[in-house]
Amino acid sequence: KAGVTQTPRYLIKTRGQQVTLSCSPISGHRSVSWYQQTPGQGLQFLFEYFSETQRNKGNFPGRFSGRQFSNSRSEMNVSTLELGDSALYLCASSPRTDLNNSPLHFGNGTRLTVT
Amino acid sequence: GQQLNQSPQSMFIQEGEDVSMNCTSSSIFNTWLWYKQDPGEGPVLLIALYKAGELTSNGRLTAQFGITRKDSFLNISASIPSDVGIYFCAGPFPGGSEKLVFGKGTKLTVNP
Repeated sequence: KAGVTQTPRYLIKTRGQQVTLSCSPISGHRSVSWYQQTPGQGLQFLFEYFSETQRNKGNFPGRFSGRQFSNSRSEMNVSTLELGDSALYLCASSPRTDLNNSPLHFGNGTRLTVT
Repeated sequence: GQQLNQSPQSMFIQEGEDVSMNCTSSSIFNTWLWYKQDPGEGPVLLIALYKAGELTSNGRLTAQFGITRKDSFLNISASIPSDVGIYFCAGPFPGGSEKLVFGKGTKLTVNP
């Protein structure tokens, strides 16, 4: 079974630009979550989607957005990039939304560098 | 926000030694998860714990779900060089189980 696939692996953007990251979940998994990982803040929850609906959102500004398609694939978008957005963006999938019974499985992430 | 307190922050050990790390919280968790992250890769699930007092093994790894439901431990026996990486504890956020809250990680270095 293929794991969570994220594209691209690396991105370099300049301040003010926008970026779109893509995630394909494990086959059969309908819940997709996004996390930001930085050395200072660790892993921080961005948002979670299930059946094309955003069910939960973390404490990030409105420049961070996402969506999920009918085939469960997901994209996240960051507009008006800032230097502080440089991070590893991780996508994770799960069969269900209740993580008490179905743990998250992560992709290898997209490393975004903003210059 | 909700955080998990993970310790130690880093460990430097010799190959063959046993390792122990732990995670505590001020809130009760119904599930404890342990992940390992290698450089340039995403976290990989090592062990999932679902019941207070549960002790679960995965090869040389053993993890326990604390009886108070506010802590968990991960032990690695007879460490080898490929155990190098960052180990994270995590649990579904008590206020909303659709998201995980993570510890800051324990960075393990194994000297051959």
